[in-house]
Amino acid sequence: GAVVSQHPSWVICKSGTSVKIECRSLDFQATTMFWYRQFPKQSLMLMATSNEGSKATYEQGVEKDKFLINHASLTLSTLTVTSAHPEDSSFYICSASAFGQENTEAFFGQGTRLTVV
Amino acid sequence: DAKTTQPPSMDCAEGRAANLPCNHSTISGNEYVYWYRQIHSQGPQYIIHGLKNNETNEMASLIITEDRKSSTLILPHATLRDTAVYYCIVKNRDDKIIFGKGTRLHILP
Repeated sequence: GAVVSQHPSWVICKSGTSVKIECRSLDFQATTMFWYRQFPKQSLMLMATSNEGSKATYEQGVEKDKFLINHASLTLSTLTVTSAHPEDSSFYICSASAFGQENTEAFFGQGTRLTVV
Repeated sequence: DAKTTQPPSMDCAEGRAANLPCNHSTISGNEYVYWYRQIHSQGPQYIIHGLKNNETNEMASLIITEDRKSSTLILPHATLRDTAVYYCIVKNRDDKIIFGKGTRLHILP
Protein backbone atom coordinates (compact mmCIF):
# COMPACT_ATOMS: atom_id res chain seq x y z
CA GLY A 1 0.00 0.00 0.00
CA ALA A 2 0.90 3.64 -0.26
CA VAL A 3 3.16 5.24 2.32
CA VAL A 4 2.13 8.07 4.57
CA SER A 5 4.79 9.45 6.87
CA GLN A 6 3.99 11.39 10.00
CA HIS A 7 6.50 13.40 12.01
CA PRO A 8 7.30 13.50 14.84
CA SER A 9 6.32 10.11 16.26
CA TRP A 10 6.11 11.58 19.72
CA VAL A 11 6.51 14.99 21.29
CA ILE A 12 6.44 16.41 24.79
CA CYS A 13 5.74 20.10 25.15
CA LYS A 14 5.06 22.59 27.88
CA SER A 15 1.59 23.89 28.50
CA GLY A 16 0.93 27.04 26.49
CA THR A 17 3.30 26.26 23.65
CA SER A 18 2.39 25.24 20.11
CA VAL A 19 3.25 22.00 18.38
CA LYS A 20 3.32 21.27 14.65
CA ILE A 21 2.77 17.78 13.26
CA GLU A 22 3.60 16.97 9.64
CA CYS A 23 1.93 14.42 7.41
CA ARG A 24 3.46 13.50 4.07
CA SER A 25 2.28 11.18 1.31
CA LEU A 26 5.52 9.73 -0.01
CA ASP A 27 4.50 7.93 -3.18
CA PHE A 28 1.24 9.46 -4.33
CA GLN A 29 -0.46 12.81 -4.57
CA ALA A 30 -2.99 13.19 -1.81
CA THR A 31 -5.90 15.33 -2.88
CA THR A 32 -7.51 14.91 0.52
CA MET A 33 -6.00 14.53 3.96
CA PHE A 34 -7.71 13.82 7.24
CA TRP A 35 -6.69 14.40 10.83
CA TYR A 36 -7.85 12.19 13.69
CA ARG A 37 -7.39 12.18 17.43
CA GLN A 38 -7.50 9.11 19.63
CA PHE A 39 -7.70 8.99 23.40
CA PRO A 40 -6.69 5.86 25.33
CA LYS A 41 -9.01 2.90 24.83
CA GLN A 42 -11.20 4.87 22.44
CA SER A 43 -11.70 4.81 18.71
CA LEU A 44 -10.31 7.36 16.30
CA MET A 45 -12.25 10.60 16.15
CA LEU A 46 -12.18 12.63 12.95
CA MET A 47 -11.10 16.21 13.58
CA ALA A 48 -10.99 17.73 10.11
CA THR A 49 -10.75 17.15 6.39
CA SER A 50 -8.41 19.18 4.22
CA ASN A 51 -8.19 19.47 0.48
CA GLU A 52 -5.07 20.80 -1.17
CA GLY A 53 -5.16 24.53 -1.58
CA SER A 54 -8.38 25.12 0.33
CA LYS A 55 -9.46 25.65 3.91
CA ALA A 56 -9.99 22.64 6.11
CA THR A 57 -13.46 21.48 7.07
CA TYR A 58 -13.68 20.86 10.79
CA GLU A 59 -15.97 18.38 12.52
CA GLN A 60 -18.47 19.67 15.01
CA GLY A 61 -16.90 20.49 18.34
CA VAL A 62 -13.34 20.86 17.02
CA GLU A 63 -11.91 24.35 17.51
CA LYS A 64 -10.46 25.53 14.22
CA ASP A 65 -8.44 28.30 15.90
CA LYS A 66 -6.81 25.80 18.21
CA PHE A 67 -6.08 23.09 15.65
CA LEU A 68 -4.65 24.85 12.62
CA ILE A 69 -4.49 22.75 9.48
CA ASN A 70 -2.52 23.63 6.39
CA HIS A 71 -2.56 21.58 3.20
CA ALA A 72 -0.32 23.60 0.94
CA SER A 73 0.74 20.85 -1.44
CA LEU A 74 -0.45 17.49 -2.67
CA THR A 75 2.08 15.71 -0.49
CA LEU A 76 2.09 17.68 2.74
CA SER A 77 -0.42 18.64 5.41
CA THR A 78 0.37 20.05 8.82
CA LEU A 79 -1.60 20.19 12.05
CA THR A 80 -0.59 22.81 14.60
CA VAL A 81 -1.92 22.50 18.12
CA THR A 82 -1.82 26.04 19.41
CA SER A 83 -1.48 26.95 23.09
CA ALA A 84 -1.49 23.29 24.02
CA HIS A 85 -2.86 22.21 27.39
CA PRO A 86 -2.71 18.85 29.18
CA GLU A 87 -6.19 17.93 27.93
CA ASP A 88 -4.80 18.10 24.36
CA SER A 89 -2.51 15.18 25.15
CA SER A 90 -3.56 12.48 22.73
CA PHE A 91 -2.56 10.31 19.79
CA TYR A 92 -2.92 12.32 16.57
CA ILE A 93 -3.14 10.42 13.29
CA CYS A 94 -3.25 11.68 9.73
CA SER A 95 -4.65 9.97 6.68
CA ALA A 96 -4.17 10.66 2.99
CA SER A 97 -6.25 9.72 0.02
CA ALA A 98 -6.26 10.31 -3.71
CA PHE A 99 -9.98 10.81 -4.14
CA GLY A 100 -11.13 11.05 -7.70
CA GLN A 101 -8.65 8.49 -8.89
CA GLU A 102 -9.06 4.77 -9.39
CA ASN A 103 -7.81 3.73 -5.97
CA THR A 104 -9.47 5.66 -3.19
CA GLU A 105 -8.38 3.78 -0.12
CA ALA A 106 -7.14 6.07 2.62
CA PHE A 107 -3.69 5.40 4.03
CA PHE A 108 -2.65 6.36 7.51
CA GLY A 109 0.46 7.71 9.13
CA GLN A 110 2.01 6.01 12.12
CA GLY A 111 0.59 8.60 14.50
CA THR A 112 2.05 11.25 16.81
CA ARG A 113 1.76 10.90 20.54
CA LEU A 114 1.51 14.35 22.08
CA THR A 115 2.07 14.84 25.79
CA VAL A 116 1.53 18.30 27.22
CA VAL A 117 3.06 18.87 30.64
CA ASP B 1 -25.87 6.70 13.98
CA ALA B 2 -23.57 3.74 13.53
CA LYS B 3 -23.71 2.30 10.04
CA THR B 4 -22.08 -0.96 11.07
CA THR B 5 -22.36 -3.39 13.96
CA GLN B 6 -19.42 -5.52 15.02
CA PRO B 7 -18.84 -7.75 18.04
CA PRO B 8 -16.65 -5.95 20.57
CA SER B 9 -14.13 -8.77 20.82
CA MET B 10 -13.22 -12.17 19.42
CA ASP B 11 -10.61 -14.84 20.04
CA CYS B 12 -8.96 -17.02 17.45
CA ALA B 13 -6.32 -19.71 17.75
CA GLU B 14 -3.04 -19.09 15.99
CA GLY B 15 -2.95 -20.79 12.60
CA ARG B 16 -6.72 -20.94 12.30
CA ALA B 17 -8.88 -18.77 10.08
CA ALA B 18 -10.24 -15.68 11.80
CA ASN B 19 -13.73 -14.76 10.62
CA LEU B 20 -14.83 -11.28 11.63
CA PRO B 21 -18.48 -10.44 11.02
CA CYS B 22 -20.00 -7.06 10.29
CA ASN B 23 -23.64 -6.07 9.93
CA HIS B 24 -24.55 -3.12 7.73
CA SER B 25 -28.25 -3.53 7.11
CA THR B 26 -28.78 0.10 6.01
CA ILE B 27 -26.03 0.12 3.39
CA SER B 28 -26.98 2.03 0.24
CA GLY B 29 -26.27 1.07 -3.35
CA ASN B 30 -23.22 3.30 -3.79
CA GLU B 31 -21.56 2.46 -0.51
CA TYR B 32 -18.55 0.20 -0.27
CA VAL B 33 -17.48 -1.99 2.63
CA TYR B 34 -13.97 -1.20 3.84
CA TRP B 35 -11.91 -2.97 6.46
CA TYR B 36 -9.04 -1.43 8.39
CA ARG B 37 -7.16 -2.64 11.42
CA GLN B 38 -5.19 -0.86 14.12
CA ILE B 39 -2.39 -2.58 15.92
CA HIS B 40 -1.70 -1.09 19.33
CA SER B 41 -0.17 2.41 19.22
CA GLN B 42 0.02 2.49 15.42
CA GLY B 43 -1.99 4.15 12.69
CA PRO B 44 -4.76 2.13 11.04
CA GLN B 45 -3.81 -0.18 8.18
CA TYR B 46 -5.97 -0.67 5.10
CA ILE B 47 -6.92 -4.31 4.57
CA ILE B 48 -9.49 -4.67 1.83
CA HIS B 49 -12.68 -3.24 0.39
CA GLY B 50 -15.54 -4.34 -1.84
CA LEU B 51 -18.86 -3.30 -3.31
CA LYS B 52 -20.80 -6.42 -4.23
CA ASN B 53 -18.45 -9.19 -5.16
CA ASN B 54 -16.21 -11.12 -2.84
CA GLU B 55 -12.67 -9.86 -2.82
CA THR B 56 -9.33 -11.40 -1.95
CA ASN B 57 -5.85 -9.98 -1.59
CA GLU B 58 -2.61 -11.01 0.06
CA MET B 59 -3.91 -10.08 3.49
CA ALA B 60 -7.49 -11.26 3.62
CA SER B 61 -10.74 -12.19 1.93
CA LEU B 62 -13.95 -10.22 2.09
CA ILE B 63 -17.23 -12.06 1.74
CA ILE B 64 -20.28 -9.84 1.15
CA THR B 65 -23.76 -11.37 1.30
CA GLU B 66 -25.94 -11.15 -1.76
CA ASP B 67 -28.26 -8.60 -0.11
CA ARG B 68 -25.15 -6.66 1.03
CA LYS B 69 -26.52 -6.35 4.54
CA SER B 70 -23.57 -8.11 6.11
CA SER B 71 -20.03 -9.14 5.39
CA THR B 72 -17.21 -11.23 6.82
CA LEU B 73 -13.51 -10.51 6.83
CA ILE B 74 -11.45 -13.67 6.74
CA LEU B 75 -7.82 -13.86 7.80
CA PRO B 76 -6.96 -17.34 6.46
CA HIS B 77 -4.13 -18.26 8.81
CA ALA B 78 -4.06 -15.97 11.81
CA THR B 79 -0.76 -15.19 13.48
CA LEU B 80 0.03 -13.36 16.71
CA ARG B 81 0.80 -10.27 14.62
CA ASP B 82 -2.85 -10.14 13.56
CA THR B 83 -3.87 -9.15 17.09
CA ALA B 84 -5.50 -5.77 16.56
CA VAL B 85 -8.76 -3.83 16.50
CA TYR B 86 -10.55 -4.43 13.21
CA TYR B 87 -12.88 -1.79 11.83
CA CYS B 88 -15.63 -2.40 9.31
CA ILE B 89 -16.63 0.83 7.57
CA VAL B 90 -19.38 1.52 5.09
CA LYS B 91 -19.04 4.60 2.92
CA ASN B 92 -19.04 6.04 -0.55
CA ARG B 93 -15.67 5.93 -2.30
CA ASP B 94 -14.75 9.56 -1.75
CA ASP B 95 -16.24 9.99 1.69
CA LYS B 96 -14.34 10.48 4.91
CA ILE B 97 -13.82 7.49 7.19
CA ILE B 98 -15.79 7.51 10.41
CA PHE B 99 -14.57 4.84 12.79
CA GLY B 100 -16.87 2.87 15.06
CA LYS B 101 -15.68 0.81 17.99
CA GLY B 102 -14.49 -2.15 15.92
CA THR B 103 -13.72 -5.70 16.99
CA ARG B 104 -10.75 -6.41 19.20
CA LEU B 105 -9.26 -9.64 17.85
CA HIS B 106 -7.07 -11.68 20.15
CA ILE B 107 -4.94 -14.36 18.55
CA LEU B 108 -4.22 -17.08 21.07
CA PRO B 109 -0.94 -19.01 20.90
